[in-house]
Order: sequence, then structure tokens, then C-alpha cells
Amino acid sequence: GENVEQHPSTLSVQEGDSAVIKCTYSDSASNYFPWYKQELGKRPQLIIDIRSNVGEKKDQRIAVTLNKTAKHFSLHITETQPEDSAVYFCAASRDTGFQKLVFGTGTRLLVSP
Amino acid sequence: DGGITQSPKYLFRKEGQNVTLSCEQNLNHDAMYWYRQDPGQGLRLIYYSQIVNDFQKGDIAEGYSVSREKKESFPLTVTSAQKNPTAFYLCASNLGQGRNTEAFFGQGTRLTVV
Repeated sequence: GENVEQHPSTLSVQEGDSAVIKCTYSDSASNYFPWYKQELGKRPQLIIDIRSNVGEKKDQRIAVTLNKTAKHFSLHITETQPEDSAVYFCAASRDTGFQKLVFGTGTRLLVSP
Repeated sequence: DGGITQSPKYLFRKEGQNVTLSCEQNLNHDAMYWYRQDPGQGLRLIYYSQIVNDFQKGDIAEGYSVSREKKESFPLTVTSAQKNPTAFYLCASNLGQGRNTEAFFGQGTRLTVV
């Protein structure tokens, strides 16, 4: 089955810096890679996702890159702001239903003013 | 806000007791899911249901039970057989139908065994 590893577990940056969170996966057939953001005490929310037919996807200050050969994908946040502080989860699965998603262990991002 | 509601937000249980966590959605979603979240671990799937009156075990179903009598509701019972029930429980829903459509999460229930 799929196994997803996420690094780092915590990340501290200064406001305005960039932040990068990396995930590796084991199932070469996985083709769907979402990222969720969970603010303290709140529900996880999908912030961006990518499918294996593209190598990069951007949405304003957030981007995700995918390297299928190396089986890793990364979340990039530019010009970080204090409100970006949260726990970020990556996940991976074959495109066979949400129940097949395997989640990473999460990265706690702290953006200091 | 989100259309999926979990209650209660905090729940305390004595050892040996069963407790039921509520999850209700008004998004007309076919599929609903229960996850457990522990510190330092990713979300782990307990049970899921893709249609009314049908549900399937996830990766960590032992000690839990569910029902899906209505499309809107997917309650989770944590039984006394669950050896380590203290955790944060998240419910989610999406269109299902075997596709990775966006799932919406509830606010979660924090269960503590005392």
C-alpha cells in the first residue's frame, strides 16, 4: 500500500520568507496529491492539489511541484504571512476515491512577524 | 460555515463506556468519512460510507462502529473495545462516486477518556 512521508515536522520562518514542505510517496501508481491546511482549532481545508499529468500548479502565493520519477512532491509558499501559520498535510492516492488517500504526518509552520 | 457539523466539540468518557460522536452534513454529499488524528501522525481512516445504508471499514476500524441510516448523518460510536480512544476525531464528506473530489471536514471532536 501507499506510504507518505512528510518533512519537516516543524518549520519556522520570518514573515516574507518562503517556506517549502516536502513529501515522498511509495506507490508509483499514485496520481492525486492534495495539500490540506489546518489552523489551530479549525478544520482541515484543501488549499491546492495536483494530478500526475502536470508537474507544477500555482495559486497566488502557493505552488505545488511534482516529480513522478523521484516520487516526491512539494508545497511552496512565497511571501509568507502570519496567517499562513498552521499545520499542513500532504496526501497521495490513486484516483480511486477519497477513502484511499494516505496522509502525511503534518508540518507545523510558524510565521513570525 | 462548511455545511458539515460535528458535535460535541469536546467529549469526556469514562473507561468502559461507549460514546457516540455526531456528524451531520447539508451538502447533499453521498460519501462520508471518519478519521482519527493523533499528535505527530497523519489522519487515519476509521470508517467510510459511499451511500446510505452501506459503510466500509477503514484502516483502524477495531473498537469503532458506525451507521448510515440517513444521507445527512454518519454517527461514530467509540466502544469500550477501543483500547486507546483519546484522540481528535474528524468527519468529512464529498460527492464520492469513486472520484477524488474535494472533501469538506467538520470542526472535529476531541475525545478524552478519564
